[in-house]
Amino acid sequence: DAGVTQSPTHLIKTRGQHVTLRCSPISGHKSVSWYQQVLGQGPQFIFQYYEKEERGRGNFPDRFSARQFPNYSSELNVNALLLGDSALYLCASSSPRISGNTIYFGEGSWLTVV
Amino acid sequence: AQKVTQAQTEISVVEKEDVTLDCVYETRDTTYYLFWYKQPPSGELVFLIRRNSFDEQNEISGRYSWNFQKSTSSFNFTITASQVVDSAVYFCALSEARNQGGKLIFGQGTELSVKP
Repeated sequence: DAGVTQSPTHLIKTRGQHVTLRCSPISGHKSVSWYQQVLGQGPQFIFQYYEKEERGRGNFPDRFSARQFPNYSSELNVNALLLGDSALYLCASSSPRISGNTIYFGEGSWLTVV
Repeated sequence: AQKVTQAQTEISVVEKEDVTLDCVYETRDTTYYLFWYKQPPSGELVFLIRRNSFDEQNEISGRYSWNFQKSTSSFNFTITASQVVDSAVYFCALSEARNQGGKLIFGQGTELSVKP
């Protein structure tokens, strides 16, 4: 079975631009979460979506937004990119019914803002 | 407030040595979950273990073992007879029951280097 898949794997953007990152959860998982991991630090929680509704939001500016689609895939959008947005963006999925409270991660999207 | 502390930033050992990675957590909840993840250079966080707060039994999986002690709020991870393939960054994380399936609080990570 496929794990959590993310795209694109790597991308380079210019300051002020907008970026969209995509995530497909493990089949059957209805919860998707997004994390930002800056080099040398642990991942920081950005959003959680469950059944297309936002269930949690971390301490990130309004430039960050997300949504979940009927097939439970998700997008993370970041507007007006700053140099400090350069990071690894990780998507995770979970399902209390299928895998308890275990949270599984994808390989991430490496974003570089220049 | 929830917090996870991994005091060891970097550890270097020689192959076949045993190594313990420390994790101390803070939470006011009585029901919570603790996790360990391995992050190789590729970036993916690989799930290793999940432990519920009401289950203090230690667990062993091959060369890996985990020691959960609620009295000291610690959830330490030991690798026995380390191998070069164990080299990675290891993260301890906390999830409170009300955030189940969602928000994880991560420690800063411990970078383990196993030299041949």
